[in-house]
Formats: sequence, structure tokens, C-alpha cells
Amino acid sequence: NAGVTQTPKFRVLKTGQSMTLLCAQDMNHEYMYWYRQDPGMGLRLIHYSVGEGTTAKGEVPDGYNVSRLKKQNFLLGLESAAPSQTSVYFCASSYSKRGAYSGANVLTFGAGSRLTVL
Amino acid sequence: DAKTTQPNSMESNEEEPVHLPCNHSTISGTDYIHWYRQLPSQGPEYVIHGLTSNVNNRMASLAIAEDRKSSTLILHRATLRDAAVYYCILISGSSGSARQLTFGSGTQLTVLP
Repeated sequence: NAGVTQTPKFRVLKTGQSMTLLCAQDMNHEYMYWYRQDPGMGLRLIHYSVGEGTTAKGEVPDGYNVSRLKKQNFLLGLESAAPSQTSVYFCASSYSKRGAYSGANVLTFGAGSRLTVL
Repeated sequence: DAKTTQPNSMESNEEEPVHLPCNHSTISGTDYIHWYRQLPSQGPEYVIHGLTSNVNNRMASLAIAEDRKSSTLILHRATLRDAAVYYCILISGSSGSARQLTFGSGTQLTVLP
């Protein structure tokens, strides 16, 4: 049982390049999230998804796009990378559909993807 | 949005209990109180959660004030491996609240040998 897997773990980009971060979960979770974490700061929500085929904006969505074509995967894309997007990105998932959604649903996080934009 | 307030940092001696406080004065009736921790260079991991009653698990205890406006995470015997950033967040029972699932800066716990 792998939980939440993020690929790649590290990536260096030049300004203007594009890339996609992949998040995969094997827990049949409905909700998935992408966060970024900058040095000395907490996690800020970029985008999230409440189910296959749905996405929504979080706190800091500008410069990112996401897709949830399959329930187990949540992709985060940078179309034109900027140095301000240098950060550590974390994916998380929650909520298995056994009953009504509840605040008791626990978040499971991936190990992170460290992105540097030069 | 219901928000939480935590001290920026705390210190503890090894093998002593640690009480990490969290204020959440605007908590609503359906909000669960969750605690996560983040070890260096790792993703956050779940510690404990509760709604109204105090909770215990193998990692920690959660004490919730009677008015639910504050809570305390208790590590009964701190070890060096407990040195981490601890986050207190509120998760609502409303599915539309996913957008509010943001983490503050948390409390950096230092454990002294």
C-alpha cells in the first residue's frame, strides 16, 4: 500500500519551461489537493479536486493548472515556469466514499516534489 | 473561514511531556480539530483529531476545551524524533469547505537532549 506517490521528487527548470507534477494515490480517495511550501512558511493550497473530472482553485492558483482525468491521479502543470514558483510541492488526498463527507476524514500527504526554477 | 493560532516555536526536554496549544475561537459546530506534524524534509503526517471529547492514540493525546475554542496536543514523553513542525487545522463537515483547507505556519518543536 503506497499511499500517495509524487513524481518527480526533484526537478530543475529554466524560466519559461513547462512541466507536470504527477500525484497518484491508491486509497480510492475522492478528494485530492496540491499545496506549495516556501521556506519557513506553512502550506498554501494551490488547487484541489473533489472527484474525478472536477477541479477548483485554492488560495494561490495563479500560474498553475490541474487535471483529474482519473480518480487516482491529480496532475499539477506549470505552463511557463517562473522563479517565484521555486518551492516544494505536496500532494494530499482524503475521503473514501463509504458514507457522508465528514470533517473526520484524514489527509494523507506525499513526500513532496522540490522544484527549482532558474 | 475558521482559523487557528499557534505559537511559532516551543522547546522541550527529552522524555518530558509537551503541551502544544492551539486557539480556534471561530470554530463552528461541524469543525473537527486535526493535528499534523512535519518532520524535516518530509510531507506532513497525521497525528490525531477530535470533535468534542478528548482523544488518545499511540502517538499523542488531544485535549479539547469545553467551549471548543482551544485545544492542546499532548506528547507524553518527547523524544528527539518528535522534533517537527506541528500544525493544528480545522476540517469542516461540509464538502464545500475543501477550499479552506490551508495550513498556517504551525509550531516548531525543538526537543533538547
